[in-house]
Amino acid sequence: GEDVEQSLFLSVREGDSSVINCTYTDSSSTYLYWYKQEPGAGLQLLTYIFSNMDMKQDQRLTVLLNKKDKHLSLRIADTQTGDSAIYFCAEIDDYKLSFGAGTTVTVRA
Amino acid sequence: DGGITQSPKYLFRKEGQNVTLSCEQNLNHDAMYWYRQDPGQGLRLIYYSQIVNDFQKGDIAEGYSVSREKKESFPLTVTSAQKNPTAFYLCATKGQGETQYFGPGTRLLVL
Repeated sequence: GEDVEQSLFLSVREGDSSVINCTYTDSSSTYLYWYKQEPGAGLQLLTYIFSNMDMKQDQRLTVLLNKKDKHLSLRIADTQTGDSAIYFCAEIDDYKLSFGAGTTVTVRA
Repeated sequence: DGGITQSPKYLFRKEGQNVTLSCEQNLNHDAMYWYRQDPGQGLRLIYYSQIVNDFQKGDIAEGYSVSREKKESFPLTVTSAQKNPTAFYLCATKGQGETQYFGPGTRLLVL
């Protein structure tokens, strides 16, 4: 099984906020990441959060980290059609990244 | 991507054939990684290299081989021993920090 878990699908109306949730298992992870993948493309780093932070905001993106519950979330404000993609949560585990299965976000008009 | 190139974009493999996927970077990063992505799954680590002339197996190394003769290059060979090679292959690099950056990927298909 996977160490990082995400819900598989999210449908959101254009202009609304999207919230993508993730749980992880390695409490020693120093960084947690969100990557975006558009169809047929590689992974684009969206944002990351250091484990001693609770929140990080970067323009339309807000990352919340609850270390006690090992829960990470990504909020996208004012979701646009260009935000339709697969979003991966990942934790750093020594030398490698451990990924969730990805959340497919569909933005509807 | 930007600074990481993977070629070809699509690759077709015949039964029993070895094929090599290219990954080149001009970011001066020491570490390079190969991941495999299957539909509906996260990425899984095949091999990684933290420095030139050194590499280690990841979680799913069987049926694959790599070399790291130059800092800029980390080619992946999919051998005939890999019985289910159809997947999207992603190369990544890491510099001084912890963050990994990904190339555009190669899609491997079996004829």
